[in-house]
Amino acid sequence: NAGVTQTPKFQVLKTGQSMTLQCAQDMNHEYMSWYRQDPGMGLRLIHYSVGAGITDQGEVPNGYNVSRSTTEDFPLRLLSAAPSQTSVYFCASSYPQGLGTGELFFGEGSRLTVL
Amino acid sequence: GENVEQHPSTLSVQEGDSAVIKCTYSDSASNYFPWYKQELGKRPQLIIDIRSNVGEKKDQRIAVTLNKTAKHFSLHITETQPEDSAVYFCAASFGGGADGLTFGKGTHLIIQP
Repeated sequence: NAGVTQTPKFQVLKTGQSMTLQCAQDMNHEYMSWYRQDPGMGLRLIHYSVGAGITDQGEVPNGYNVSRSTTEDFPLRLLSAAPSQTSVYFCASSYPQGLGTGELFFGEGSRLTVL
Repeated sequence: GENVEQHPSTLSVQEGDSAVIKCTYSDSASNYFPWYKQELGKRPQLIIDIRSNVGEKKDQRIAVTLNKTAKHFSLHITETQPEDSAVYFCAASFGGGADGLTFGKGTHLIIQP
């Protein structure tokens, strides 16, 4: 099993550009989520999904879109990049509540810089 | 929503000493409290967790305690080793799983030789 795979690992964008961060998991996890990590701010939840076709907002959703057409994939779209979106992004997946241990499995992270 | 406060932000201890990191949470309905360790440049990984029906849990040199009345929980690391140097995050959620986990801001643990 590859676990949670994120691409790209590094990306530099100009203000106003759009891009998609890809996330795929091969563990048949129903729950998937995106976090951003900024120095001194911990991990903040952007969007999450409890299954295919279902998405919901987290703590910091503005400027980001998500969709969940399959169990395996959960892409994160930046519609019009801003310097405030410079961050490290982590995708994570888990078994549904009540099943498994509740452990979040993280991808390796994607470092995004917006100039 | 849930708010998780974590202290201290940086903790420096001598190798072999104990380290304690403390977290408080705001939502009394939260019932799942994991701790994640993130080494420099790596992804966060779960090291231990506790549920609200348990007051303490131990795994070798790591232990977590939970005080539901005071709404705080702590990570205890004994006999610290150089490989314990990392950033540690506490988190809380309702429902017993990873759904909507709220993380603290992290503690940078430095083990001095």
